[in-house]
Parts: sequence; C-alpha cells; structure tokens
Amino acid sequence: SAVISQKPSRDICQRGTSLTIQCQVDSQVTMMFWYRQQPGQSLTLIATANQGSEATYESGFVIDKFPISRPNLTFSTLTVSNMSPEDSSIYLCSVDQRAGGPGTDTQYFGPGTRLTVL
Amino acid sequence: GNSVTQMEGPVTLSEEAFLTINCTYTATGYPSLFWYVQYPGEGLQLLLKATKADDKGSNKGFEATYRKETTSFHLEKGSVQVSDSAVYFCALSGTTGAGSYQLTFGKGTKLSVIP
Repeated sequence: SAVISQKPSRDICQRGTSLTIQCQVDSQVTMMFWYRQQPGQSLTLIATANQGSEATYESGFVIDKFPISRPNLTFSTLTVSNMSPEDSSIYLCSVDQRAGGPGTDTQYFGPGTRLTVL
Repeated sequence: GNSVTQMEGPVTLSEEAFLTINCTYTATGYPSLFWYVQYPGEGLQLLLKATKADDKGSNKGFEATYRKETTSFHLEKGSVQVSDSAVYFCALSGTTGAGSYQLTFGKGTKLSVIP
C-alpha cells in the first residue's frame, strides 16, 4: 500500500488567515482525495484531485474556500482560506490504488492534519 | 444514493470479550466494503475489505463477511484487547452519478476496551 505523509501534522491558526496542507505519496497515483473530519464526526469528502485537471468539489465545498493544487502524481495541497472556528477539524488526504481489475480499488489515508482555529 | 449505517456507540467491553459492530449498507450495483480503524490521535488505517458477495475480510483477529442478501458487513473479533480501543468506520465504494469513484462512510463506532 502507498505511504502517505501530511504536513503540518497540526496547527493552531487565527481566524481570517489561511493554511496550506501538503500531502505527499511515495508512489504515483492518479486519484487523490481530501476529506474533513469534524470533532467526533465521520469523514466528509471535500474534493477529488486528479493530476492534470481541476479538482471536483462535493456539494457544500467551493474552490474559493478550499483551493486545491495537484501539480504531479505524488503531491497535492489543500488550502483552507479565510478560516473561522468552524473550520477546526482534521483534514485527511487519501489515495486510490487498484490491485487488479475494476472493483479492486482501495483508499489509503494519510495521518491527517489537526487544525484549530481561534 | 449510497449509504452506510453503523451501530451507535460508544461500545465498552472488558478485555477478552467478543466484539460485534453492525454495519448495513444501501448501494446500487456491487460495491466493495471496508472497515477502517482510527486510533486516538491518528489517521485512518485500512483494517480489512471484501470486494464481492460472500467474501470474508480478515486482519489482526478481526473478520467481516460481505452478505449481499442482508446488505451487511458486520465486524467481529473473538477476544478484544485494550489496544483495540479506537473508532471503527464501515465504508463502501461506488461511483457517483457523474461516474466518479467515491467512498461512503458510516458515522463510526467508538470502542473502549477496559482491562
């Protein structure tokens, strides 16, 4: 399985500022995903980031608030812009790997970035 | 659309007790099913998976069988340890209406194992 790292692992930020989270994978992958996990909650998909195309955002998430870059097949960034305390969450990136034919896709997750907005 | 329903937590068990965490799903087509585990302060780790009906996924003493007839994927372990204390998420993979691949998660079940 892919090994995924994220930076920073945690941060405390002031409202109104922006934070960029980096996600690095040890192998080339086509599909990368960004999730938000609010305190005590499940994961919510923010967007799918494929190399060479614009990120696809889920309902309730917009590019101005969560711009994403995907410059190559091993790296992506998520920026949380103009932060408010409601953005305090764990942000996780994940990658899809396919072991064989269709139906064998598995997502592997990074360790997450724990963000607190004051 | 796709959905996953997990039993509500938290679940508290004594060490060596038997564990069952129920998971049922609604999906079109033939999704793959997963259990992920999140230890305190960490990200999600894949625990086990099953890609077709009647498949049994297993890892670290945990098992789950893909039951298409009951649309279930219950997680079981015969004897839990304190180190199993974590949040467990059931998930299924499928495609959205636009054809993109996506994971749908349950709400998670927090397990606490006491000595």
